[in-house]
Amino acid sequence: QLQLQESGPGLVKPSETLSLTCIVSGGSISSSSYYWGWVRQPPGKGLEWIGSIFYSGSTHYNPSLKSRVTMSVDTSKNQFSLKLSSVTAAETAVYYCARRIIHCGGDCYSFDYWGQGTLVTVSS
Amino acid sequence: SSELNQGPAVSVALGQTVRITCQGDSLRSYYASWYQQKPGQAPVLVIYGKNNRPSGIPDRFSGSSSGNTASLTITGAQAEDEADYYCNSRDSSANHVVFGGGTKLTVL
Repeated sequence: QLQLQESGPGLVKPSETLSLTCIVSGGSISSSSYYWGWVRQPPGKGLEWIGSIFYSGSTHYNPSLKSRVTMSVDTSKNQFSLKLSSVTAAETAVYYCARRIIHCGGDCYSFDYWGQGTLVTVSS
Repeated sequence: SSELNQGPAVSVALGQTVRITCQGDSLRSYYASWYQQKPGQAPVLVIYGKNNRPSGIPDRFSGSSSGNTASLTITGAQAEDEADYYCNSRDSSANHVVFGGGTKLTVL
């Protein structure tokens, strides 16, 4: 059974860089069938896509965050990472990593496996 | 357009049928996916593709689409179906993922 686990600091200061890693177990990150992504959810609010990465390193980012987001993948460790720079208090949220299906009878943008999520608080 | 629009809330009597909708230009060309999220938990994929259910999802959940509107139907809603439901798809103009704002389902 595939499992994803987020790890990283739970507290980040305003203007600093948020860094998270997602460790994938029970399956290989080096599959041509999936992208790997980050989604966040501020307390009491909806889901927001941050970005997705392919095992080759190809990325797609939310245009509203693109200038501050960097995603990377380490196939040797079966994990991928997120860096979000210059964070503000409004970016306090639960950050999820998830697996995105690429094809499902057509182009697919479904996230079928999710990590449990990690709360990142932006505060001084 | 990069927007997917969902109504904020809907209610259904126990055992009845409820439809949750998601509207957006991109849905004319791309499938919507649907997620169920209960308080304090990660989202769970319930419908993807044309009308596919992941393993373990009850068959009372089904999906459909017409024009710019995708729908999630729960036939015979159960108390455990009370949750927030989100749709997602891609942006109509770029290879970006978008989520709807979510619909809170109350089972009466």
